[in-house]
Order: sequence, then structure tokens, then C-alpha cells
Amino acid sequence: AQSVTQLDSQVPVFEEAPVELRCNYSSSVSVYLFWYVQYPNQGLQLLLKYLSGSTLVKGINGFEAEFNKSQTSFHLRKPSVHISDTAEYFCAVRDGTASKLTFGTGTRLQVTL
Amino acid sequence: NAGVTQTPKFRVLKTGQSMTLLCAQDMNHEYMYWYRQDPGMGLRLIHYSVGEGTTAKGEVPDGYNVSRLKKQNFLLGLESAAPSQTSVYFCASSYSWWQGEGQPQHFGDGTRLSIL
Repeated sequence: AQSVTQLDSQVPVFEEAPVELRCNYSSSVSVYLFWYVQYPNQGLQLLLKYLSGSTLVKGINGFEAEFNKSQTSFHLRKPSVHISDTAEYFCAVRDGTASKLTFGTGTRLQVTL
Repeated sequence: NAGVTQTPKFRVLKTGQSMTLLCAQDMNHEYMYWYRQDPGMGLRLIHYSVGEGTTAKGEVPDGYNVSRLKKQNFLLGLESAAPSQTSVYFCASSYSWWQGEGQPQHFGDGTRLSIL
């Protein structure tokens, strides 16, 4: 069974500082990986996804993530965060032809001045 | 371009009452899902459907029922509401794997449900 671990439940960071949100997964087959963002009182929006090919994936709002198969990780990064990036971020994995996503428990990114 | 629409957005129920949450999508997606979101627990899958007329249990199905009579609609029912079902409920939909690899799920804005 697949699982997703987001070790950091909260990440405080100052505006314009870089940030990395960690995601590790376990799966016995090839996977598709996703990062979603949830702003307060809203649903989840897709930030980026890894399907195959280049291990560095660029998403919306200046975010990027790197797929590392040997470490089974898919960490999310942004070189300079903005106040508006304050939100909850979810990592998710989908096995091959599976119909379901498995979500991590989320990381709350709090950006302050 | 509505995407995934959930109704109602808010609801307060008394213990023992019943209600139905409606999810509608206009993207011709095969797959539809119901999740609940509770603090510190992320999203947990309640039930899902891989096509019209089919449903399956997810991680936390007890106390809920679902129906998918039409491809575009996925209904979540609470037959006898309990305080433990107080949560934010999200509906999502996606294309099937045979319609394209790595299809993401698209989410509605959620229904905030309080059971007193």
C-alpha cells in the first residue's frame, strides 16, 4: 500500500526567504506525484505534478519540485516566498493505473514580514 | 467554466437528522470522490466512483452512503448525523487513467457541516 509522509506540519518563514516543504512516499510501483495548495476556506488547487521525464518540475506561482526516486522524495521549493503563499500544502501520490490519490497530512506554510 | 460545484456550502444539523450533499462536475470526468478534512488529519477518502452507476468504499465510509446515478453528479448522504461527522467535506473529480496518464483531481470549494 502506498503512503505519503509530510514530516513538517508547520513551516514558518519570513517573506522573501527560500522554503522547502518535504514529502516522502512509499510505493512498490511507478507513481505519479502531485502537490496541491489550499488557501483558507477554499478547495485544493493543483500546484504541479510529476508524471515522467525531467525530475525537476515547475508549477504555478514560482514553485518547483524535484522527484528523487532513490530517496522516494518529492520536495517542494520556492526561492523567495510572498505573504500570499501562506496556505496549506498537500503532497499526493497515485500508483500507475490506480483510481485513487493518497494524500499526506499537509504542511501549513506561514509567511510573515 | 464551473468545474466542480458543491451544494450546500454550509449546513448545521442536529444529531440524528439526515441530509444529502450534492457534487456536480461539468468536465465529463469518469472518476468522482468524496473526502472529509479534519484538523491535523489531512484528507480522508470516504467513498469514490469510477463511473456512472458504480461506487466503492474509501478509508472512512462508515455512516455515509453515496450514489452516482448520473455521470456528472455524485451524492453523499448522511442517514443519521452524529457529532463525529462535523467536518469539511470536499468533492473531487478526475479523468480515468485510460483517458490520459497522471490525471490530477479537481476539487470543489467544500461544504462545512456542523452536527450539534
